[in-house]
Amino acid sequence: EVQLVQSGAEVKKPGESLKISCKGSGYSFTTYWIGWVRQMPGKGLEWMGIIYPDDSDTRYSPSFQGQVTISADKSISTAYLQWSSLKASDTAMYYCARRQNAIRYFDFWGLGTLVTVSS
Amino acid sequence: QSALTQPASVSGSPGQSITISCTGTSSDVGGYNYVSWYQHHPGKAPKLMIYDVSKRPSGVSNRFSGSKSGNTASLTISGLQAEDEADYYCSSYTSSSTWVFGGGTKLTV
Repeated sequence: EVQLVQSGAEVKKPGESLKISCKGSGYSFTTYWIGWVRQMPGKGLEWMGIIYPDDSDTRYSPSFQGQVTISADKSISTAYLQWSSLKASDTAMYYCARRQNAIRYFDFWGLGTLVTVSS
Repeated sequence: QSALTQPASVSGSPGQSITISCTGTSSDVGGYNYVSWYQHHPGKAPKLMIYDVSKRPSGVSNRFSGSKSGNTASLTISGLQAEDEADYYCSSYTSSSTWVFGGGTKLTV
């Protein structure tokens, strides 16, 4: 069974750092890209970026370039999304989703990680 | 990269059909046959309903269909059922080798 298991909800203060995770199982982790998608409260989905765990090839949306870092550790089938200095505006649900190489859609999604940034 | 344009809400009665539009540009929707649609029930993972404009993944009801004309893609749901009530998002691959989503459409049945 394919699973993308995301780490639990986080409550952080502005200025703090954070790294959330997405662990894949039930498929060959290194043959699928993992993308990250943000959903701010009451808003739609926003594509943030994507990584190919096999070689860590990473692409970012211009809106998120420099704001977050996407990484992966293929030895433990896990992708990460991290912030060095959180802002209140980073409060959102973050989803990971997989995409097989050579296709242009995301066929399986995680349940999301809720990140709350508040002083 | 601007979000694709979707109506904020649509509604229909059980058994009826509805269509959700998704308008982009020649750099995304109009330039590629890589439009996909996702169903999102609150608290659940988004689910792929349509890919490559009009293809249905295994297990998705044939009541769901997709099409595209120019820079506008459409999702049609026929024979509406109560469980279809959800948020629907379109997405397209872009000329920048990135993806863009629509703002989402809340379907009320």
